[in-house]
Amino acid sequence: QSALTQPASVSGSPGQSITISCTGTTSDIGSYNLVSWYQHHPGKAPQLIIHEDSERPSGVSNRFSGSKSANTSSLTISGLQAEDEAVYFCCSYSGGYTWVFGGGTKLTVL
Amino acid sequence: EVQLVQSGTEVKQPGESLKISCQGSGDSFIAHWVGWVRQKPGRGLEWMGIIYPGDSETRYGPSFEGQVTISADKSGSTTYLQWSSLKASDTAIYYCARLVSFTWGYYFDYWGRGTLVTVSS
Repeated sequence: QSALTQPASVSGSPGQSITISCTGTTSDIGSYNLVSWYQHHPGKAPQLIIHEDSERPSGVSNRFSGSKSANTSSLTISGLQAEDEAVYFCCSYSGGYTWVFGGGTKLTVL
Repeated sequence: EVQLVQSGTEVKQPGESLKISCQGSGDSFIAHWVGWVRQKPGRGLEWMGIIYPGDSETRYGPSFEGQVTISADKSGSTTYLQWSSLKASDTAIYYCARLVSFTWGYYFDYWGRGTLVTVSS
């Protein structure tokens, strides 16, 4: 069982929006504004799409957005495209040079 | 462009030793920590530890202290993850990732593609 809880799978049709949740505790997500999200196509290197809860790196589509409330972080993908089909996982700093990860959510674009 | 290039797939027997590598392109590890992350089959990611290649300062996750050794070469461009005696439970994909550090926190920005390690008799 992963330290951060994510749904195993989500799906949506092209053009729709989906949201993936990532639930932690007061020791990680709830204590730091340091949740990051990654897009992972199997066999490729995971790609950073959100850092510091809601900041988008240069070059990442503005269809990706992040938010946080208490111990839960969320990733929203708007205007779904076929290329968005991938596994998405979250990561949070949890103090003392330690990090925790979510189990990953497989996004299927119908 | 920052690239983390990891060594290839390994198939080992229980009890054997292993050292896998993660090489950063150019000076991509300069002034950065580098982390190692494990993903067992069908499971989520687990943070194993981090190293500062510049001086080899290392921190380990509690589940991995004493189980693996993280090191770096003198040039600081390559980090390693090493086992002295592999177990079947070490079967996993191992990722390296570069850590961005700033005043109030950290996050991993670039990742390698992962190294699949299979331990089986």
